[in-house]
Amino acid sequence: DGGITQSPKYLFRKEGQNVTLSCEQNLNHDAMYWYRQDPGQGLRLIYYSQIVNDFQKGDIAEGYSVSREKKESFPLTVTSAQKNPTAFYLCASSRRSLYGEKLFFGSGTQLSVL
Amino acid sequence: AQTVTQSQPEMSVQEAETVTLSCTYDTSESDYYLFWYKQPPSRQMILVIRQEAYKQQNATENRFSVNFQKAAKSFSLKISDSQLGDAAMYFCAYRSAEQGGSEKLVFGKGTKLTVNP
Repeated sequence: DGGITQSPKYLFRKEGQNVTLSCEQNLNHDAMYWYRQDPGQGLRLIYYSQIVNDFQKGDIAEGYSVSREKKESFPLTVTSAQKNPTAFYLCASSRRSLYGEKLFFGSGTQLSVL
Repeated sequence: AQTVTQSQPEMSVQEAETVTLSCTYDTSESDYYLFWYKQPPSRQMILVIRQEAYKQQNATENRFSVNFQKAAKSFSLKISDSQLGDAAMYFCAYRSAEQGGSEKLVFGKGTKLTVNP
């Protein structure tokens, strides 16, 4: 079955540590996204990529980094510069279109600080 | 920048009854897309319904329908014959038509819907 796989489901970060969240899709979508969700808040866009080897900052990119070396994969690194990393992180993908396509979401990663 | 406001943090409905969730948005654009996404306790985001701003006809998907009022910048979701499985967080989202091929969405803060048996 086609879909998006995020791992791990739960992740703990120590002070000063970088951690990487995995996102893989087999939907053959060109575009991929990372959103952050805090309690009582909507989703906020961190980074997005429309094509391999290219990505753009979203609204809250500070303290995060991404890469897009393969069409299927869009890992997110939460760096030590991100002072408040505890949140639920959602990866999504979509076809590239001018017409408002549906986003397909993964099941998310809950990141907590030890 | 566009903003999306959901003024009802929580709503409740009796099973089999109808409930309407509110959403307003602020934009200076004339062409855009609006969405309602559902997030059940599993936290998986699921598309409920999609509306194209240039279409006057309100979108409908089975028990879910919208009331799209473009001039008022309002996009409410009506759930008919509510079922226990409809209990979830519901997010309204906006997508500009002027952003090429990417689906950058602006989300509201969500409405938590409880369905009482």
